[in-house]
Amino acid sequence: GQQVMQIPQYQHVQEGEDFTTYCNSSTTLSNIQWYKQRPGGHPVFLIQLVKSGEVKKQKRLTFQFGEAKKNSSLHITATQTTDVGTYFCAEGSNYKLTFGKGTLLTVNP
Amino acid sequence: ETGVTQTPRHLVMGMTNKKSLKCEQHLGHNAMYWYKQSAKKPLELMFVYSLEERVENNSVPSRFSPECPNSSHLFLHLHTLQPEDSALYLCASSQVLGVMSGELFFGEGSRLTVL
Repeated sequence: GQQVMQIPQYQHVQEGEDFTTYCNSSTTLSNIQWYKQRPGGHPVFLIQLVKSGEVKKQKRLTFQFGEAKKNSSLHITATQTTDVGTYFCAEGSNYKLTFGKGTLLTVNP
Repeated sequence: ETGVTQTPRHLVMGMTNKKSLKCEQHLGHNAMYWYKQSAKKPLELMFVYSLEERVENNSVPSRFSPECPNSSHLFLHLHTLQPEDSALYLCASSQVLGVMSGELFFGEGSRLTVL
């Protein structure tokens, strides 16, 4: 699998603020998956993006895959305390998923 | 409930001990995986099995020995581990082998501490 770099490493927001995490690669990605891991929990699948320029929404979460398929983003609108956790992107090649280091989101109520 | 059950949830072992981690999936999936999650490092793929056949050994030291007796069960046998092997070991499954088949379903993990 290829290396994917995630930024920022940490993000602290006030409840109600928006949040964005970015996943970047120097080479073209075949697809991107996003996972969320709550503190003390395990990664849970959120979404998979495959097509160039793809945008998918899940309630307050918006996922984008760049036109060049070298980057992806996850945007959360009006964060809530339940959004706390680490968000990982992962790039897939054949059967291998290569994960980024994740962005830890904390939300101040 | 994820459909993937891991035991034990916590394990403390000495460097000379032999122990095993167990994973069972109740989803009817054909592929199973072991991942290692250490602090401040990305999730690392260790082993991949498809229909009980190992298809990937991601340069893992021989002190980790996987076993997949059937498509529902996966073990990770541990012996003469080092303190740096302390980590969360996550089992995952997918419907079939291949990332285009969709998501990985992770178990809750086995937290291993090597003294």
